[in-house]
Amino acid sequence: AQTVTQSQPEMSVQEAETVTLSCTYDTSESDYYLFWYKQPPSRQMILVIRQEAYKQQNATENRFSVNFQKAAKSFSLKISDSQLGDAAMYFCPATNRDDKIIFGKGTRLHILP
Amino acid sequence: DTGVSQNPRHKITKRGQNVTFRCDPISEHNRLYWYRQTLGQGPEFLTYFQNEAQLEKSRLLSDRFSAERPKGSFSTLEIQRTEQGDSAMYLCASSFSGSGETQYFGPGTRLLVL
Repeated sequence: AQTVTQSQPEMSVQEAETVTLSCTYDTSESDYYLFWYKQPPSRQMILVIRQEAYKQQNATENRFSVNFQKAAKSFSLKISDSQLGDAAMYFCPATNRDDKIIFGKGTRLHILP
Repeated sequence: DTGVSQNPRHKITKRGQNVTFRCDPISEHNRLYWYRQTLGQGPEFLTYFQNEAQLEKSRLLSDRFSAERPKGSFSTLEIQRTEQGDSAMYLCASSFSGSGETQYFGPGTRLLVL
């Protein structure tokens, strides 16, 4: 079974600053994939970034980057130059080869103007 | 492509009534997933299809819930004899088949059972 833990229910960051959201997971699978999704107040889930567990290189997507520590089963998201539009719930689900996504409880990110 | 769409966006019903939701996936995607999300929680997996075949159902999916994807395109999720505990957001997602494919989510159907 897979589990995902997001230990920060809420976080706040000043606009233009950098924030890191933490995520840990537990899986016995050797082949799995990790994602960060954001869910703005309108509630449509949007993919932010994706990481294949077999790749050592951390994924990067514009202002978003991950720090993937496979041995520690840690998968944090760094948001640089935070913008008001980044305010949302953030989820870091994991999926195995059956592609069933397991979500944690999420982290609500507030952007302070 | 306009993405995953879901209808209706909101549904208010009385306890004991039946409701049906529809999901139209991205047209090239052969996998379709249903999730349920309650306030303050992450989505919980309910079931998924590959083409028209329902491959897995969560134990969360009681006998009152049924899902279909008759032609491998759109899907419906029906809840019979609704209960107040069924109040939630019901999310649909679609993807290509294959390991680790990104799931694209629809806007959801918010159900309120009075």
